[in-house]
Amino acid sequence: DQQVKQNSPSLSVQEGRISILNCDYTNSMFDYFLWYKKYPAEGPTFLISISSIKDKNEDGRFTVFLNKSAKHLSLHIVPSQPGDSAVYFCAASRTGFQKLVFGTGTRLLVSP
Amino acid sequence: KAGVTQTPRYLIKTRGQQVTLSCSPISGHRSVSWYQQTPGQGLQFLFEYFSETQRNKGNFPGRFSGRQFSNSRSEMNVSTLELGDSALYLCASSLRTGVGTGELFFGEGSRLTVL
Repeated sequence: DQQVKQNSPSLSVQEGRISILNCDYTNSMFDYFLWYKKYPAEGPTFLISISSIKDKNEDGRFTVFLNKSAKHLSLHIVPSQPGDSAVYFCAASRTGFQKLVFGTGTRLLVSP
Repeated sequence: KAGVTQTPRYLIKTRGQQVTLSCSPISGHRSVSWYQQTPGQGLQFLFEYFSETQRNKGNFPGRFSGRQFSNSRSEMNVSTLELGDSALYLCASSLRTGVGTGELFFGEGSRLTVL
């Protein structure tokens, strides 16, 4: 049972445009959500997170939106840069638990 | 500050063998988690150790085990290897555990190929 889903395996965007990566979850007990970025041959690196008490969190070019009623979150990257090309994983957790439940990832390609 | 270090980076084993992977967390980090990454399943949680105690365990068979030492270094072991165990095994460390921040620092992984 995939509790965290990223339905788009890949996304192509032009440099300077907005990239929107989507993620859906099924477990209403999740109350903390994260995005990780992964380059080939490297481990995932933390990008941005959001608590369920918020609906938006910004960090520079990256903004995460959370819609609890729809059990949906999205990551917006504006403007997109070629260096953003990587696989992006959405993850969810519950307070009190260190376990992260990851989606299967979306490969983002930003072309010049 | 050194990051999470995993050894070996690459290894090839045959079915039925066993393997031990090692992880050195970031200095001062006491929680170590292990994840398995495969193309079809993404990253799946194996287990988490904090202060030498296993706190959480994922849905993996008993062939997968781990431990943590007093210096927070951790090892995971897979016995009686199967072809499906071929994967990238990622170790992640964090300062604390169970606080729900989820901010883990990952190593580069150990890529295991089972022939």
